[in-house]
Amino acid sequence: LAKTTQPISMDSYEGQEVNITCSHNNIATNDYITWYQQFPSQGPRFIIQGYKTKVTNEVASLFIPADRKSSTLSLPRVSLSDTAVYYCLVGITGNQFYFGTGTSLTVIP
Amino acid sequence: EPEVTQTPSHQVTQMGQEVILRCVPISNHLYFYWYRQILGQKVEFLVSFYNNEISEKSEIFDDQFSVERPDGSNFTLKIRSTKLEDSAMYFCAINNGLLHLEFSYNEQFFGPGTRLTVL
Repeated sequence: LAKTTQPISMDSYEGQEVNITCSHNNIATNDYITWYQQFPSQGPRFIIQGYKTKVTNEVASLFIPADRKSSTLSLPRVSLSDTAVYYCLVGITGNQFYFGTGTSLTVIP
Repeated sequence: EPEVTQTPSHQVTQMGQEVILRCVPISNHLYFYWYRQILGQKVEFLVSFYNNEISEKSEIFDDQFSVERPDGSNFTLKIRSTKLEDSAMYFCAINNGLLHLEFSYNEQFFGPGTRLTVL
């Protein structure tokens, strides 16, 4: 399984764009890259998933370079409610989902 | 988004006792998972369940753990003889295992969790 590395924590002011980068040097050909958000005492919540290039939904964008050894989650104009832990996961099937330590994002007023 | 409920929301038990945690997916799904999260630590995969049998399990999922889907709806996690270190949040997740317009193969939907406290 590809191991992921993310910054432990990040701070951002409200209204700013936040980019969280994840390294996954050992990503396999069939692996997808998935990002989850988790608030305290709640289950992780799916944000976005991609395989290559760029994916955008109503919540975030995911940028994946051609070598796929890293990915960047972009949150536009964050608000206080975006304060949470963000996890990057890579995997080939729904059977194995191994979470790393995640990035704790704190949005400052 | 599929809805997953878990019961109880909080379970307190004495060390050595058996506990059963329940997960109730609102709609039919193929894949079921259990994860745990010790306070302040990362989410850890325990087991996946497909077609009424275990598909994969982690090193954490030892002989004291078991899973089943007894009535075709509820998905349960049993811990036979709880230890202090079993205290954690336990999350159930589901996945339909198919590419879909709304979500894809790797997207898992998590329940709200059961907080297990072993005294």
